Amino acid sequence: GQQVMQIPQYQHVQEGEDFTTYCNSSTTLSNIQWYKQRPGGHPVFLIQLVKSGEVKKQKRLTFQFGEAKKNSSLHITATQTTDVGTYFCAGSQGNLIFGKGTKLSVKP
Amino acid sequence: KAGVTQTPRYLIKTRGQQVTLSCSPISGHRSVSWYQQTPGQGLQFLFEYFSETQRNKGNFPGRFSGRQFSNSRSEMNVSTLELGDSALYLCASSLDGQGHTEAFFGQGTRLTVV
Repeated sequence: GQQVMQIPQYQHVQEGEDFTTYCNSSTTLSNIQWYKQRPGGHPVFLIQLVKSGEVKKQKRLTFQFGEAKKNSSLHITATQTTDVGTYFCAGSQGNLIFGKGTKLSVKP
Repeated sequence: KAGVTQTPRYLIKTRGQQVTLSCSPISGHRSVSWYQQTPGQGLQFLFEYFSETQRNKGNFPGRFSGRQFSNSRSEMNVSTLELGDSALYLCASSLDGQGHTEAFFGQGTRLTVV
């Protein structure tokens, strides 16, 4: 069945360092969504990418959708302690299939 | 507007029992999806309901079932509980489902099977 792979599983960074998480699908996606789940919380929608090669920015966060619509990335510039949490990508192909997430910890 | 409401928040059940979880979506949302979240497996899709019909189903045994009512509220039932069913169960509502638009998650129901 369709799968969405996400790496790395964990990332520990020093505050101020950059962070990137990558997402790969075995099939072409109609769109990809990104969510953030804070410790003890529930996933919260960040953004949706639809077009091939699309790049979107939200302050220090940059999201990319690959040309083949099979991969995506989330890059955070100059991490802050408020960025702590697990970041999930979710590919859409009939229903939302989530990657296993990247858990980000930030050392002040 | 009110968010997605899941009840109960916490539940402890014994192996072999059954359980029913409830989800009230955001007003106007017709799609409700259910996910099982465990530390090792992430968010796994259980099923999606739209206008009272199951539209998609994940790879879970038949012990997991659900339904949706005319007011879009949804319930999920797990029969003959197993220890491995211990997890956070999340429901998500969206306007039209199938990953077309943003999904709004509830706080989840933490189920512990002992």
